[in-house]
Amino acid sequence: AQKITQTQPGMFVQEKEAVTLDCTYDTSDQSYGLFWYKQPSSGEMIFLIYQGSYDEQNATEGRYSLNFQKARKSANLVISASQLGDSAMYFCAMRDTGGFKTIFGAGTRLFVKA
Amino acid sequence: AAGVIQSPRHLIKEKRETATLKCYPIPRHDTVYWYQQGPGQDPQFLISFYEKMQSDKGSIPDRFSAQQFSDYHSELNMSSLELGDSALYFCASSQGAIEGDTYEQYFGPGTRLTVT
Repeated sequence: AQKITQTQPGMFVQEKEAVTLDCTYDTSDQSYGLFWYKQPSSGEMIFLIYQGSYDEQNATEGRYSLNFQKARKSANLVISASQLGDSAMYFCAMRDTGGFKTIFGAGTRLFVKA
Repeated sequence: AAGVIQSPRHLIKEKRETATLKCYPIPRHDTVYWYQQGPGQDPQFLISFYEKMQSDKGSIPDRFSAQQFSDYHSELNMSSLELGDSALYFCASSQGAIEGDTYEQYFGPGTRLTVT
């Protein structure tokens, strides 16, 4: 069975610093996608970044990058130059290639301090 | 850019009543997903539709049903509501999941259902 583990319930980071949110996953499938979503206090789910299991390069989207280590089954999200607006819940998620069901981790709540 | 539209945004129902949630996907997206997020919980996959047919099913109670219509919008019907059904219900859409590729899902703003 697939599983996503986010071991950091909450994280603090100083404004303008970088922060890494941890995510490990477990799957027996060879082909899958990994996703990160941001959920502000307003409740909406915002797609941040995607990494395919066969992608050789780590994904980057602006200030977001995904540190993908396939052998360790980890897909950590790195946010550079944190901003106050980055304060939110962050979910790591996974879906099999060709599949429809996405499973989510428990989330990490990030607090950015001024 | 157009986003996923969900209606209503807020809904208050009493126990044992029924509720219908609607979802309008991003244009040209043919796949719709439904998720339930309880307070302080991660989203739980309920069901998905690809080209108007059910494509996968998760932890959806038998009291719930859903369908995707010819215009690709989807409705989640919930009957005999229970207090535990109070949650944020997300709809997401994507282009179809094609073998060898995985498309990101774009979420709607959610419908907050409160059962009293």
